[in-house]
Amino acid sequence: AQSVTQPDIHITVSEGASLELRCNYSYGATPYLFWYVQSPGQGLQLLLKYFSGDTLVQGIKGFEAEFKRSQSSFNLRKPSVHWSDAAEYFCAVGGTRYNQGGKLIFGQGTELSVKP
Amino acid sequence: DVKVTQSSRYLVKRTGEKVFLECVQDMDHENMFWYRQDPGLGLRLIYFSYDVKMKEKGDIPEGYSVSREKKERFSLILESASTNQTSMYLCASIEDRRRYSYNEQFFGPGTRLTVL
Repeated sequence: AQSVTQPDIHITVSEGASLELRCNYSYGATPYLFWYVQSPGQGLQLLLKYFSGDTLVQGIKGFEAEFKRSQSSFNLRKPSVHWSDAAEYFCAVGGTRYNQGGKLIFGQGTELSVKP
Repeated sequence: DVKVTQSSRYLVKRTGEKVFLECVQDMDHENMFWYRQDPGLGLRLIYFSYDVKMKEKGDIPEGYSVSREKKERFSLILESASTNQTSMYLCASIEDRRRYSYNEQFFGPGTRLTVL
């Protein structure tokens, strides 16, 4: 069965420190992979996505993610966290078969807190 | 910019009431989705629609129905609200159902529903 696991429910980092949020997926083939961010009281906003090519993907707000097929992972990274990055982060996987309608499977989410 | 709007940010209803949650998108997207978001569970798909009057069940359709009479509008209906339907409800849309799933979903701000 297709699934997405985010092992860390809550992470706290100091402002200026580096960040890595983990995401592991289970899928029969190479999926399409997404990271979304949800700021308090807001809907989800796309940070970045991977569907082919270079396994290191750059996104908005200084985020990047690396697709590692051998580890079935798509971890999100940022070299220096800002207080405004405090939010909930969701990893999601989309199907690669034609006409799946854009459906996504989401992980449980990781809440990020930033210490001053 | 794509805009997805939801009729209410906060809603309080009583057990047994019929509840309508409305979602409107302004970018002529073909596919629309309803999710519920609960702490520790991430986003779970309730229903999605890939065309006017077309719908498919998601992972947790029990207790819900949907209506899509116009392309831009997708309604979620709780026929008889129960306390276990207290949750955050998110609507999303995506263009072009005939393609693969690498297009991003665009989300509304969410409706936080409390059923007393």
